[in-house]
Amino acid sequence: AQKITQTQPGMFVQEKEAVTLDCTYDTSDPSYGLFWYKQPSSGEMIFLIYQGSYDQQNATEGRYSLNFQKARKSANLVISASQLGDSAMYFCAMREGRTSYDKVIFGPGTSLSVIP
Amino acid sequence: NAGVTQTPKFQVLKTGQSMTLQCAQDMNHNSMYWYRQDPGMGLRLIYYSASEGTTDKGEVPNGYNVSRLNKREFSLRLESAAPSQTSVYFCASSVIQANQETQYFGPGTRLLVL
Repeated sequence: AQKITQTQPGMFVQEKEAVTLDCTYDTSDPSYGLFWYKQPSSGEMIFLIYQGSYDQQNATEGRYSLNFQKARKSANLVISASQLGDSAMYFCAMREGRTSYDKVIFGPGTSLSVIP
Repeated sequence: NAGVTQTPKFQVLKTGQSMTLQCAQDMNHNSMYWYRQDPGMGLRLIYYSASEGTTDKGEVPNGYNVSRLNKREFSLRLESAAPSQTSVYFCASSVIQANQETQYFGPGTRLLVL
């Protein structure tokens, strides 16, 4: 069964607008972590933001925020004020379990294109 | 502080050849991972290591072996390369600090098996 689902294979957003990238996950473990990564065309993987399952508040990191809806098992990434440099693939990932000893599983990704 | 380094950056192999992909991190992290990324797809976990001397299989371990000889280095070996192993290979390490977990990736190794 798919553990991480990203239903938007491709997205377009106007420069300076906000965009939401969807991510839903499936786990029965009460302790887990959720990550978002950016992969530009150059190929490197860049860590963006992390949300723990017990965190009461949504994670934020600069222009990135994670809209964490635990009951719905969704962890959408919100990018505010999009920039041309935000054009990239974005991956949602989940670690099941309490420690980083456990596996991290990635979703299929969403390709974001920012239009000038 | 170099973060996570991988060698080589590119490699072309013939079917049946063997090679070892090297990975090292200088951040004193316990956990390290090997992923592969096929064109147009997300990352799939090959093997991971929770600490020095321990390794565990991920989603797609067949055809690979790993070695975690010390805390710093985690190598991935292809004993008999197959065209299906053509991919980009990423090594990563992770740490949890103050309930915040961060995973750091190396630059990747592009492998072509002919």
